[in-house]
Amino acid sequence: SYVLTQPPSVSVAPGKTARITCGGTNIGIKSVHWYQQMPGQAPVLVVYDDSDRPSGIPERFSGSNSGNTATLTISRVEAGDEADYYCQVWESSSDQYVFGTGTRVTVL
Amino acid sequence: QVQLQESGPGLVKPSETLSLTCTVSGGSISDFSLSWIRQTPGKGLEWIAFISDNGRTNYSPSLKSRLTTSVDTSKNQVSLKLSSVTAADTAVYYCARDPQGYSGGWRIYYFDYWGQGTLVTVSP
Repeated sequence: SYVLTQPPSVSVAPGKTARITCGGTNIGIKSVHWYQQMPGQAPVLVVYDDSDRPSGIPERFSGSNSGNTATLTISRVEAGDEADYYCQVWESSSDQYVFGTGTRVTVL
Repeated sequence: QVQLQESGPGLVKPSETLSLTCTVSGGSISDFSLSWIRQTPGKGLEWIAFISDNGRTNYSPSLKSRLTTSVDTSKNQVSLKLSSVTAADTAVYYCARDPQGYSGGWRIYYFDYWGQGTLVTVSP
């Protein structure tokens, strides 16, 4: 089965840039989606199709995807961005949704 | 605004069947696909089941033998049944909508709306 690997944690100072990676074999040819999950809440879609943002999501959230790594970038990080972040793809060979291992973002 | 709401017993005994319902409001369940996703305490997200707008289903290989999902279009509901549960099935269970989007002519698969989730504990 397809595996998506994320760093367990990322720490960033307020106002700086956080980059969360999602590694997978040839992930660059897949469409990658990102979710933010606050403690005790359901996940929220923040980026879809590599780099598109749903309405209501700040421009500070952006995404890119190439080769074996997709990246979610959070610019000008705020305390309210502290959450768990998950990447997700569709594995067409088995018709399954696959989630990454998740990354906890801590704002220092 | 589409809303999804999970419902079902919060406590299930080992070896019994877990039954959950996802009720959709603000849209017709026939217009999109729905999935069930679970999250064990302190762990990550695990996709477990999918039902498409035309009733096609697919399940996580690790749970396939124990899972069933079905749709009731008259009630705008999707149900999930997981049989022979153990403590390892204790989790928050979410239903989530796949809007059946396209990009460059290709179907893309993601979740734009989620229910709030329901905690199911498996315990005697």
